[in-house]
Amino acid sequence: QVQLVESGGDLVMPGGSLRLSCAASGFTFTDYYMNWVRQAPGKGLEWVSYISRGGNTIYYGDSVKGRFTISRDNAKNSLYLQMNSLRAEDTAVYYCARESVDTSVVDYWGQGTLVTVSS
Amino acid sequence: QLVLTQPPSASASLGASVKLTCTLSSGHSSYAIAWHQQQPEKGPRYLMRVNSDGSHSKGDGIPDRFSGSTSGAERYLTISSLQSDDEAVYYCHTWGTGIRVFGGGTKLTVL
Repeated sequence: QVQLVESGGDLVMPGGSLRLSCAASGFTFTDYYMNWVRQAPGKGLEWVSYISRGGNTIYYGDSVKGRFTISRDNAKNSLYLQMNSLRAEDTAVYYCARESVDTSVVDYWGQGTLVTVSS
Repeated sequence: QLVLTQPPSASASLGASVKLTCTLSSGHSSYAIAWHQQQPEKGPRYLMRVNSDGSHSKGDGIPDRFSGSTSGAERYLTISSLQSDDEAVYYCHTWGTGIRVFGGGTKLTVL
């Protein structure tokens, strides 16, 4: 069955950096686009970033542009999010989400990893 | 600008039906959307895609009680025979070149 397992969430100081990982299994990783979506405490879902199958097309939400970098390692079936210059408002649960090439929908989600930015 | 608008809350009785609404911003009425369910303390789950012509396609294992429809720029999620574990926040989601967008979510209370 499809599994997306995030890791790497932690408590980090403002201005610090963190790298999130998402391990994918149960499907052919290279057949799918991937996204990161976050959810601040008590708030709704916010799209963070998208990466195409080969990694050559990448998009970011305005709130993270220039600070976050998405990448993938297809040989390891893994998705990453490098987060730099972290701010308090980046505090959230970060979800890895699979996007179908055929239907363009996010059709599977991970369980999330919590990032807390605080001094 | 591509925006999705959802009412913040809805309620319906156990065993009844409820219709949730997601409205696409002006100029985007031809866009498809997807519905996702987030139960308390859980990650989101994909429910279905709803197209501009009203057709819909559901995710794996989504029961027949869940259906989608369209009217103009509005996309709907109808849940029939409401059960207690349908109490959740429901998000709509759409996409364009270079952007993905989520609505603010509707919290459904089952009375």
